[in-house]
Amino acid sequence: GAGVSQSPSNKVTEKGKDVELRCDPISGHTALYWYRQSLGQGLEFLIYFQGNSAPDKSGLPSDRFSAERTGGSVSTLTIQRTQQEDSAVYLCASSQGGTSHEKLFFGSGTQLSVL
Amino acid sequence: GNSVTQMEGPVTLSEEAFLTINCTYTATGYPSLFWYVQYPGEGLQLLLKATKADDKGSNKGFEATYRKETTSFHLEKGSVQVSDSAVYFCALSDTRDSNYQLIWGAGTKLIIKP
Repeated sequence: GAGVSQSPSNKVTEKGKDVELRCDPISGHTALYWYRQSLGQGLEFLIYFQGNSAPDKSGLPSDRFSAERTGGSVSTLTIQRTQQEDSAVYLCASSQGGTSHEKLFFGSGTQLSVL
Repeated sequence: GNSVTQMEGPVTLSEEAFLTINCTYTATGYPSLFWYVQYPGEGLQLLLKATKADDKGSNKGFEATYRKETTSFHLEKGSVQVSDSAVYFCALSDTRDSNYQLIWGAGTKLIIKP
């Protein structure tokens, strides 16, 4: 596609349920990032995929969070047993995998609300 | 550790006013500095960047100068338009980080009134 696509755009779930968020990066981009944006906060790094290398999971806040990237393209962020503090906008970004962040392209995000 | 602090919003200005959004940083290495913008309903996009001290980034009439002596990267525009209404994020990237993750400020919402 023309840009980074994320789905769903909005997700409302009950506390304790699992959710899956999807990111479809720009075709050919080898690097993919997940960030979390809480109300009034800056973006919080969650996880980084680069090609076939092992992902950098250093930003995942707990073991309830996990992410996969299949075939070097689409990525899924899974949150198990959701808590109210997980409510935030989850942003995905991709880049060609170069050394400069000027090539980062962001999706519009998924607004997650945990009731 | 690395961090970014930017002025709280919202900032409300009239059209054609002069804009400054302050951003200061702390970094242990030699960071690159960025301003990203998020227009309503759209994804974040890079506005401008600077990679070394005294560099000036510019785009769409916006400018920011990398000031190492004051550890600042303030965003300025001489005459704002209603279409500039958005949320602006200051960020840094420490080139020593292998994953090139960005460290972000909290964002400043800018509202321009006609």
